[in-house]
Amino acid sequence: SQQGEEDPQALSIQEGENATMNCSYKTSINNLQWYRQNSGRGLVHLILIRSNEREKHSGRLRVTLDTSKKSSSLLITASRAADTASYFCATDPPKSWSGGGADGLTFGKGTHLIIQP
Amino acid sequence: EAGVAQSPRYKIIEKRQSVAFWCNPISGHATLYWYQQILGQGPKLLIQFQNNGVVDDSQLPKDRFSAERLKGVDSTLKIQPAKLEDSAVYLCASGPGTGYEQYFGPGTRLTVT
Repeated sequence: SQQGEEDPQALSIQEGENATMNCSYKTSINNLQWYRQNSGRGLVHLILIRSNEREKHSGRLRVTLDTSKKSSSLLITASRAADTASYFCATDPPKSWSGGGADGLTFGKGTHLIIQP
Repeated sequence: EAGVAQSPRYKIIEKRQSVAFWCNPISGHATLYWYQQILGQGPKLLIQFQNNGVVDDSQLPKDRFSAERLKGVDSTLKIQPAKLEDSAVYLCASGPGTGYEQYFGPGTRLTVT
């Protein structure tokens, strides 16, 4: 079953604008990760934020995590045409559930982002 | 550094036939995962290996799917017999250990007719 739900399902913005995508999940997590998928490069890891972190930056990306609300957001600043892709949030189970071994990811359905030139 | 390799990239089979996919993870990565991605959805975990042992196969349809990771390196995923609903992209991923990011291969697109 899907753990994460991305919102919106689709987003179209002009090049240079900022894009914000949200993710909500249902159960406790160890980490939350964001991935990008396009036809040219497959599924690519963007950023990992641990459950005890609240915010993380990587280049033009900013991720926040609110474990009390079970939600995360991904902000892409100064968007470029090359950012056009589907973006997925993915969670892994807390170590107390898995005995520390199982960390297969549960993905949402994704947000399809289109950057208009 | 070479990425995760998968083959074949595309496969078309008829229902009730069998098919096998191969994955070569990034060198030194202990964990290996197989995911199924149906069109329009996010990937769904099928099985996780740690070295050559199975860590989680709770979502693997074991009546028709099997996977192995011999010598803790390459892995194969087999479907026998295939059903129409198995049409999907099968993604292999590897990671340096649990709790880290995963690196995905290009996937194998399976079409069952």
